[in-house]
Amino acid sequence: DIVMTQGALPNPVPSGESASITCQSSKSLLYSDGKTYLNWYLQRPGQSPQLLIYWMSTRASGVSDRFSGSGSEKDFTLKISRVEAEDLGVYYCLQATHLPYTFGAGTKLELK
Amino acid sequence: QVQLQQSGAELVKPGSSVKISCKASGYTFTSYDMHWIKQQPGNGLEWIGWIYPGNGNTKYNQKFNGKATLTADKSSSTAYMQLSSLTSEDSAVYFCAVGGFDYWGQGVMVTVSS
Repeated sequence: DIVMTQGALPNPVPSGESASITCQSSKSLLYSDGKTYLNWYLQRPGQSPQLLIYWMSTRASGVSDRFSGSGSEKDFTLKISRVEAEDLGVYYCLQATHLPYTFGAGTKLELK
Repeated sequence: QVQLQQSGAELVKPGSSVKISCKASGYTFTSYDMHWIKQQPGNGLEWIGWIYPGNGNTKYNQKFNGKATLTADKSSSTAYMQLSSLTSEDSAVYFCAVGGFDYWGQGVMVTVSS
């Protein structure tokens, strides 16, 4: 199975600052169709995960432009600009290139 | 808008089975995979498998072979997951999610306890 390794944040993050979350895959996530099936989610306390980014760098509909995704075939980053109170929660990456699909362990964002 | 409405919380006994549902609306149910995901308390997320309601095709994470069975009813736009031979390790919140994991249900908490 593909292992997705997420980095930690230097919590707490001061409100208004930027934060970057990393996710490293044990194998290239570039699919034969040219897409990289790497999603980012935010799970707020008591809620289901909310899609932020898909195909590594495409922002989902309705998601603030403070969120951006980037990366290569195995290394990925979610950047949150000007962190706000509503951004707190746990962030997950998901790879949907190789079966079985696998998630990172999650990165918690706490606000100062 | 796309909505996935899951059934209510379940308290079940060890060794029994449970069937939870996910009713879809706001899109063509038969045209997109429906995924199921497990989240144990305080833990991360595990992909269980998907079903394509259009033809009933399924794909499972090997870890859940024999544990989970996915079905779908086109007439009611509802996907189901049955979990069998339940143990305490199956106590978790179970989510359904559609397509490219774009939209998620609210989750169903399954508690296995005698």
